[in-house]
Amino acid sequence: AQSVTQLGSHVSVSEGALVLLRCNYSSSVPPYLFWYVQYPNQGLQLLLKYTTGATLVKGINGFEAEFKKSETSFHLTKPSAHMSDAAEYFCAVSGADSWGKFQFGAGTQVVVTP
Amino acid sequence: GAVVSQHPSRVICKSGTSVKIECRSLDFQATTMFWYRQFPKKSLMLMATSNEGSKATYEQGVEKDKFLINHASLTLSTLTVTSAHPEDSSFYICSARRPLLAGVGNEQFFGPGTRLTVL
Repeated sequence: AQSVTQLGSHVSVSEGALVLLRCNYSSSVPPYLFWYVQYPNQGLQLLLKYTTGATLVKGINGFEAEFKKSETSFHLTKPSAHMSDAAEYFCAVSGADSWGKFQFGAGTQVVVTP
Repeated sequence: GAVVSQHPSRVICKSGTSVKIECRSLDFQATTMFWYRQFPKKSLMLMATSNEGSKATYEQGVEKDKFLINHASLTLSTLTVTSAHPEDSSFYICSARRPLLAGVGNEQFFGPGTRLTVL
């Protein structure tokens, strides 16, 4: 079984500042970890994912995340926020034995201020 | 890249009627699709796993007689909300799993979602 906890339902950042979204997971099997972004009334867009290999994963739009097994974390970062980054972000986990069957975190709403 | 479509994008219906939502994989065959439900300002909840040619597997707490899933072909899964009530109003999102390809691996693609409003 898998579960995900996202710390902070709302995050406000200034344009140009660091974006940090926290995600911790639990999994009884090796996890596959994902970050998705959702804009209002739209579906999900994949930002990045970790399956195996390098623990620092780079995604689209300048985002990256690091898988830390010892901390059971998969935090998402972006060095410099852009106004277009304002959206809802979801961390998700899937087991290697149940690919595609995602457990999502509660989501973090990102607001970017000028 | 692979695309998953949903139809309709929005539907408004009267209480007591049934609504069918389609999920299609447009450029690949999906043996497995998933249906999620998202309440306003909430996360996505997995409802069921749809397997081509066999019965869907429902998550605990999801009424299978209420939410009928049919995966009749490798590119189409349908979710029918039967005898809809206002509490069924939600955003329904499907996803499709592209089978393992050499050098590519499994990929998961989400549809754009269907907004259901039951009056």
